[in-house]
Amino acid sequence: RKEVEQDPGPFNVPEGATVAFNCTYSNSASQSFFWYRQDCRKEPKLLMSVYSSGNEDGRFTAQLNRASQYISLLIRDSKLSDSATYLCVVNAAGNQFYFGTGTSLTVIP
Amino acid sequence: GAVVSQHPSWVICKSGTSVKIECRSLDFQATTMFWYRQFPKQSLMLMATSNEGSKATYEQGVEKDKFLINHASLTLSTLTVTSAHPEDSSFYICSSPKGGSIVSFFGQGTRLTVV
Repeated sequence: RKEVEQDPGPFNVPEGATVAFNCTYSNSASQSFFWYRQDCRKEPKLLMSVYSSGNEDGRFTAQLNRASQYISLLIRDSKLSDSATYLCVVNAAGNQFYFGTGTSLTVIP
Repeated sequence: GAVVSQHPSWVICKSGTSVKIECRSLDFQATTMFWYRQFPKQSLMLMATSNEGSKATYEQGVEKDKFLINHASLTLSTLTVTSAHPEDSSFYICSSPKGGSIVSFFGQGTRLTVV
């Protein structure tokens, strides 16, 4: 079983839509969770950390469900500029980071 | 601005030659540097973890003699792909946690094409 599993998509949504991505992780001892955004042929950039209580940053909301071992990312009012691949990243222990395969999002005018 | 600078951003080389990729931390001491490889439409796969002043730790299936990692200073880590072959063509990217943070910052990535 993979450490981190993520639906690769692609998700094609119209502008203004709300879209949600989920990511599951296998190690129940995982400590930290992140969502990164990766544009084509570019390096991943941190979008937001995911806190136990859930957190929001503008149109983006991240949730963590430890019992079911998944994290989610909700994007409201999608913009064309949101088109990218979204990677979930799980820090299992120490310096061990595991990446999902990424979910491709295309926002359509 | 970038906190980890990676060079070159792209390189084309002939089969059998070696290519060196550099990652520099710009405003912090990178005790640890992670090296990843990403094939098209696939996830980042950890190749090795380098720690300043000691030998790198390689993931299973990654040949340490082919992918030479040097982390001689707190601001510079290098990955050398030796005797490159077309199957080594990929996107190579480094990352390092900044300071005491658990958040990793990535270099810009190097797109290697071996012809």
